[in-house]
Amino acid sequence: QVQLVESGGDLVKPGGSLRLSCAASGFMFSDSYMTWIRRAPGKGLEWVSYITPSGSLTSYADSVTGRFTVSRDNGRSSLYLRMDSLTADDTAVYYCARESRASGSLLGAFDIWGQGTMVTVSS
Amino acid sequence: DIQMTQSPSTLSASVGDRVTISCRASQSIGTWLAWYQQKPGQAPKLLIYQASTLETGVPSRFSGSGSGTKFTLTISGLQPDDFATYHCQQYDNKWTFGQGTKVEF
Repeated sequence: QVQLVESGGDLVKPGGSLRLSCAASGFMFSDSYMTWIRRAPGKGLEWVSYITPSGSLTSYADSVTGRFTVSRDNGRSSLYLRMDSLTADDTAVYYCARESRASGSLLGAFDIWGQGTMVTVSS
Repeated sequence: DIQMTQSPSTLSASVGDRVTISCRASQSIGTWLAWYQQKPGQAPKLLIYQASTLETGVPSRFSGSGSGTKFTLTISGLQPDDFATYHCQQYDNKWTFGQGTKVEF
C-alpha cells in the first residue's frame, strides 16, 4: 500500500525546536523527490521545503530559510524536517508529499501525501 | 516569487451544477499548473497536472484549462462528494499555491 505517515507534531513554545518525521511505504522512496508543505489554520497551502532523492540538493521557502532543515534516510525510507526558532506563524498542519513523475520526467505536482501532523507554537 | 490568486474564495452550488474556479498567476508559467481537492481533516488530492491532464482515477467531470497566467478548473455536474476546498499550484519557479476556493452547498 502506497502511503506516507507523518509524526512528531506537538505543542512547542516560541523559540523552541521540533523534528518531524515522514515514513514512506509501497513505493521506491530512494528514487523520489520529496517535499514538505504546510497549511496554517484558515489559510491556504504553503510549500516549505524540497529534497532530491540523494539528499544532495535541498531548497526552502523564504519564510523558513535558516531555521528549517530537511533531510532523509533512504535506508529507513524516511523524510525529516528539523524546525528551529519556531514562531506562532509556523503553527500549521505539516504534510510530506512526493513529486509525481511520468516517463521519468518530473511533473512538479504532488501525487502522494501523508495525512499531516499538527505543529502548534504557543506559550 | 510567483503569486497565485484564486477566485472566488467561496462558491455556493448545488448538486448537478457546472462549477468553474479561476486561478491567475502573477507571471507566465506556461502550463505548469496543478489542481488539488482537499476535504476537512484530509490531505490534498491531486486532480489535474500540467494544467489539463487528469490524474489517474479522477472522474472525467473534472477538467482543467488555460496557459500563461489564466487557468480554470471546471466540475461538470457537481456531485455530493465534490463539496470541498480546491487549490491551484504553480511549479514553474519553486512552488506556490493559491489561497483556496471552498465549494459549499
